[in-house]
Amino acid sequence: DVKVTQSSRYLVKRTGEKVFLECVQDMDHENMFWYRQDPGLGLRLIYFSYDVKMKEKGDIPEGYSVSREKKERFSLILESASTNQTSMYLCASSPPGDLGKHEQYFGPGTRLTVT
Amino acid sequence: GDSVTQMEGPVTLSEEAFLTINCTYTATGYPSLFWYVQYPGEGLQLLLKATKADDKGSNKGFEATYRKETTSFHLEKGSVQVSDSAVYFCALSDWTNAGKSTFGDGTTLTVKP
Repeated sequence: DVKVTQSSRYLVKRTGEKVFLECVQDMDHENMFWYRQDPGLGLRLIYFSYDVKMKEKGDIPEGYSVSREKKERFSLILESASTNQTSMYLCASSPPGDLGKHEQYFGPGTRLTVT
Repeated sequence: GDSVTQMEGPVTLSEEAFLTINCTYTATGYPSLFWYVQYPGEGLQLLLKATKADDKGSNKGFEATYRKETTSFHLEKGSVQVSDSAVYFCALSDWTNAGKSTFGDGTTLTVKP
């Protein structure tokens, strides 16, 4: 089974701190994604990556950056956390090929609170 | 751009009731369609999928048929159980949009014994 793990289930940070959320998948997937999930807004794509060192902006990239130095690891960075970034963050991966036909495999999520 | 519209929730049913959660979509290409389920405290997991028109996806008693003519992918189950209580997301993935997925807002289902 594909396993996607996220570094923390719960995180509390202060406004202005730099925050790192880590995601690791063990199935050699090339595609990885970061979403945030908020009540009434569903899932919104922040960034995604199709390969090592590649990154593409999603629908809401402002205030975030990402890093993908190794195929299995995709990090989301909040350069200066703000209270409006309090949310559930979900990482996902999917296999290559047949763009659009493959489902995504999700991690358990990190609930981030910025105070 | 692509979009997914789901039936608004929350939905509350008694055990053994019939479930329908409506999902319609708009897409510029020819998308694949998915239903994901999220149990409390967990990430999303795939429930079922369909990759072409008239395909029926099924899993754990849930079914959905890809209807291109009505741009719909409604989720159904004949007899729900308390353990089906979760949030259900309809999603599409479109190769013309670089394979990115678009999700509906989610529908919360609560099944009472």
